[in-house]
Amino acid sequence: EVQLLESGGGLVQPGGSLRLSCAASGFTFINYAMSWVRQAPGRGLEWVSGISGSGDRTYYADSVKGRFTMSRDNSKNTLYLQMNSLRAEDTAVYYCAKALELSSYWFDPWGQGTLVTVSS
Amino acid sequence: EIVLTQSPATLSLSPGERATLSCRASQSVGSYLAWYQQKPGQAPRLLIYDASNRATGIPARFSGSGSGTDFTLTISSLEPEDFAVYYCQQRSDWPLTFGQGTRLEIK
Repeated sequence: EVQLLESGGGLVQPGGSLRLSCAASGFTFINYAMSWVRQAPGRGLEWVSGISGSGDRTYYADSVKGRFTMSRDNSKNTLYLQMNSLRAEDTAVYYCAKALELSSYWFDPWGQGTLVTVSS
Repeated sequence: EIVLTQSPATLSLSPGERATLSCRASQSVGSYLAWYQQKPGQAPRLLIYDASNRATGIPARFSGSGSGTDFTLTISSLEPEDFAVYYCQQRSDWPLTFGQGTRLEIK
């Protein structure tokens, strides 16, 4: 069974940094692209970033480009999202999601999410 | 950026009725469109990908159609567990984008 377990969320001040992790199991991690998707309280879904299976290609939403860095450690089956210069509008539940097929960037399944709150 | 516009924002129907949800893209996405279902307090779940392919374990009452800029998710006969929020998503171009969602509520 595929499992994705996010961690690292919490309360951080504006301008601060946070690193999210997503521990993956139940599939050959290196074979699949992965993404982070967020959801602000009471709002819709927003794709944040994506990374290829090997980690050599990354993609970002304009809203986080230059502030967030996505990476993966295929030896540890773990995905990361380094978030710097955080803003109030980054407050959201952050989900990691596996590509349905290799690099298809359809999200299936999703983790349970980790809440990031940016507030002073 | 490709903008996805979902309609209606809210759909009120009764169990057993047919639901038709729409997603319109600001430019052609070919068949690169998916649908997700999200229930309160839960992560989204993939229902349909490549416009018309049901994901594993998704009941046959869910179907997707369309190509180019106009897409439809149809639920043939609503079950109580189908009342949720539905999102479309495109992967035709970066950045990946979602629609704003359609809330399907019990009438």
